[in-house]
Amino acid sequence: EAQVTQNPRYLITVTGKKLTVTCSQNMNHEYMSWYRQDPGLGLRQIYYSMNVEVTDKGDVPEGYKVSRKEKRNFPLILESPSPNQTSLYFCASSSYRETAKNIQYFGAGTRLSVL
Amino acid sequence: QKEVEQDPGPLSVPEGAIVSLNCTYSNSAFQYFMWYRQYSRKGPELLMYTYSSGNKEDGRFTAQVDKSSKYISLFIRDSQPSDSATYLCAMNTGSQGNLIFGKGTKLSVKP
Repeated sequence: EAQVTQNPRYLITVTGKKLTVTCSQNMNHEYMSWYRQDPGLGLRQIYYSMNVEVTDKGDVPEGYKVSRKEKRNFPLILESPSPNQTSLYFCASSSYRETAKNIQYFGAGTRLSVL
Repeated sequence: QKEVEQDPGPLSVPEGAIVSLNCTYSNSAFQYFMWYRQYSRKGPELLMYTYSSGNKEDGRFTAQVDKSSKYISLFIRDSQPSDSATYLCAMNTGSQGNLIFGKGTKLSVKP
């Protein structure tokens, strides 16, 4: 089954404790992206990657890091989480055939709470 | 002015009603227009997409794009309780550009 898998689905942590949210896709997609979704603000892009070793900032990259060492994986790293990073996070992927339209397939989401 | 504007609702309708969801946008370079549906506690899933202006129909769903007015719509006929979700419009220029999303409209269809 074609899917984007995020882990963990739920995470509660404390300020300053480094964490990683993993994202993996099995569709051989070149494009991957991370979003956060907050009430009243909608989906906002954090980082995206057009291919292996190619990453770029989205609209709200501050406080986040990403890496793309393999095509299927695109982890999101919070080096020193803060309470304002409490949010619902989504990973998404897309293929170049679709990229002109950029039809993206989303994971189920990771709900993060930073205390 | 934000690039994409979408009324957040919430919108509550009785079962069987015709629902109209809308977005306006400011960037005339947008060419691809999409509607995503997001159920509670799930990720967004693509419902429909259209290229440039015109209509596209898929079952009970019709997507319309009016580029001259920078206005897109999604119509749901014979709405069902299972249509209760948040609907997000999204668009991009087609040059491998990133998707720009509206904030979503929360729809509730009451039995």
